[in-house]
Amino acid sequence: AQKITQTQPGMFVQEKEAVTLDCTYDTSDPSYGLFWYKQPSSGEMIFLIYQGSYDQQNATEGRYSLNFQKARKSANLVISASQLGDSAMYFCAMREGNAGGTSYGKLTFGQGTILTVHP
Amino acid sequence: NAGVTQTPKFRVLKTGQSMTLLCAQDMNHEYMYWYRQDPGMGLRLIHYSVGEGTTAKGEVPDGYNVSRLKKQNFLLGLESAAPSQTSVYFCASSYSLVEIYTDTQYFGPGTRLTVL
Repeated sequence: AQKITQTQPGMFVQEKEAVTLDCTYDTSDPSYGLFWYKQPSSGEMIFLIYQGSYDQQNATEGRYSLNFQKARKSANLVISASQLGDSAMYFCAMREGNAGGTSYGKLTFGQGTILTVHP
Repeated sequence: NAGVTQTPKFRVLKTGQSMTLLCAQDMNHEYMYWYRQDPGMGLRLIHYSVGEGTTAKGEVPDGYNVSRLKKQNFLLGLESAAPSQTSVYFCASSYSLVEIYTDTQYFGPGTRLTVL
């Protein structure tokens, strides 16, 4: 089974509007972290935001917020007031506390969502 | 503070040639990782290191070797390149927090490798 599922291959949003990128995850580990990364066309991977499984409040970082619904196992990224520079690929990733059965805390990525911001 | 750097940025190889990709980080991170990114497949872990002098296999280690002789450097080697190794390669690093699931990985800019 997929550990991280991003069901939206592509999303479009108008500049200055808000957009939600979906991410669902699958784990039986009570301790885990959820991460969002941005990959612009230049190729680098930029860390955006983190949410821990024990965090009571949704994480926020500037225009980025993470809508964490633990019971539904979803960790959607919300970008408010979209800008043209937000056009990029966005990856959701998870790191499990029981090290995912490994000694290094495997980081598992979804397949990504391409976001296009229209002027 | 340069973060994580990778050299080279681009490389074209012929089948059977060898090469080494260099990753360097200046954040004093214990953990370092090599990933490959293929279209439509997200990132997959090749090898990783939890400290100087240690390395271990990730999800897709075949055809690659690694070394971590210095804490700040992590090398990825291809001994005999194959077209299936055409990909974008990313290096990442992180601290070794006790609660590892809270540990953020920081990525280098990537190396685009084409094997003809």
